[in-house]
Amino acid sequence: GQNIDQPTEMTATEGAIVQINCTYQTSGFNGLFWYQQHAGEAPTFLSYNVLDGLEEKGRFSSFLSRSKGYSYLLLKELQMKDSASYLCAVRGVNRDDKIIFGKGTRLHILP
Amino acid sequence: NAGVTQTPKFRILKIGQSMTLQCTQDMNHNYMYWYRQDPGMGLKLIYYSVGAGITDKGEVPNGYNVSRSTTEDFPLRLELAAPSQTSVYFCAGSGGSYNEQFFGPGTRLTVL
Repeated sequence: GQNIDQPTEMTATEGAIVQINCTYQTSGFNGLFWYQQHAGEAPTFLSYNVLDGLEEKGRFSSFLSRSKGYSYLLLKELQMKDSASYLCAVRGVNRDDKIIFGKGTRLHILP
Repeated sequence: NAGVTQTPKFRILKIGQSMTLQCTQDMNHNYMYWYRQDPGMGLKLIYYSVGAGITDKGEVPNGYNVSRSTTEDFPLRLELAAPSQTSVYFCAGSGGSYNEQFFGPGTRLTVL
């Protein structure tokens, strides 16, 4: 089977740093995506990791450890507009091109 | 380019009615996906397609059907609507499974 776990909710303060974790247990792995979704809107792409290590993109970074089945999304210099849900998604269970999403983490930013 | 478009934006159905949710993309994506998202939850994959004429089941296909006669269109059919199908439905396209998905704006469906 497959399982993707993320914390349900997190709260952080404007200007701070927050790390959102994602652990996965899948029978095959070919990459991990992070998406951002504001309330009432469609998800938008943030990052894609297929190799171990850290990928940095502006204020957002994503890390992957394939041996541990673990990823995190790091958000720096938090802004109020970062209040959203963050979805972790894993590609390629059993190499069949499916992309399976976790339940998402709702991030609340306090002023 | 319009990207990924979905119609209708909102719909209320009675139990047992049928309807088709439309999804069209003008980005020449081979891969297309249908997801449903229940309140406060993540996305559940219903069906996906890796090219015209090819479709496969996702995590929650029961009660739905799809077709992919062209690269651009990927309609989702509900034959006998049930209250459990009340959800927001997102269609997405991508150039490949390694590529980012571009999502449509969603269809908010209520079954009463």
